[in-house]
Amino acid sequence: DVKVTQSSRYLVKRTGEKVFLECVQDMDHENMFWYRQDPGLGLRLIYFSYDVKMKEKGDIPEGYSVSREKKERFSLILESASTNQTSMYLCASSPPEGRQHFGDGTRLSIL
Amino acid sequence: GQNIDQPTEMTATEGAIVQINCTYQTSGFNGLFWYQQHAGEAPTFLSYNVLDGLEEKGRFSSFLSRSKGYSYLLLKELQMKDSASYLCAVRAPNTDKLIFGTGTRLQVFP
Repeated sequence: DVKVTQSSRYLVKRTGEKVFLECVQDMDHENMFWYRQDPGLGLRLIYFSYDVKMKEKGDIPEGYSVSREKKERFSLILESASTNQTSMYLCASSPPEGRQHFGDGTRLSIL
Repeated sequence: GQNIDQPTEMTATEGAIVQINCTYQTSGFNGLFWYQQHAGEAPTFLSYNVLDGLEEKGRFSSFLSRSKGYSYLLLKELQMKDSASYLCAVRAPNTDKLIFGTGTRLQVFP
């Protein structure tokens, strides 16, 4: 079974902090994704990576950056956290043209 | 533009059948996915349709009509554990990115 592991289930940070969310997958998938999920808005894509060091902006990349130095790891970075970035963050991975497998999510609160 | 519509909430009774609809207007189409998400948990894959017709998998079936931009998820013999959100997602051509609807929250009552 594919395992996508997110480093934290719950995280509380302060406004202005630099925040790192980590995601690791164990199935050698080329694609990795970061979403945020908010009530009434569904899942929105922040960034997508289709290979090591390759990235593509999603629908809402502002205020975020990503890093993919190794195939199995995809990091989401909040450069200077703001309260409107309080949300549930979901990581996913997939092979090309395959279905996405999701991690359990990180519920991030910015105070 | 890209738009995927699903009802926000539905309710049903244990043992009944429920149909969750999804309509989409996207620039291109290369498959439609349904995911189930229990509260506080990760979405899990339910079904994938790329050709017109019905795909059956146990108590769950999914239907697609590409000409109408329409899909539905059919859940039979409902159980309490089927209470969850159901997410419809469309993949555009030449990409592995998905566009998600806002999800349908289904509550099953005894």
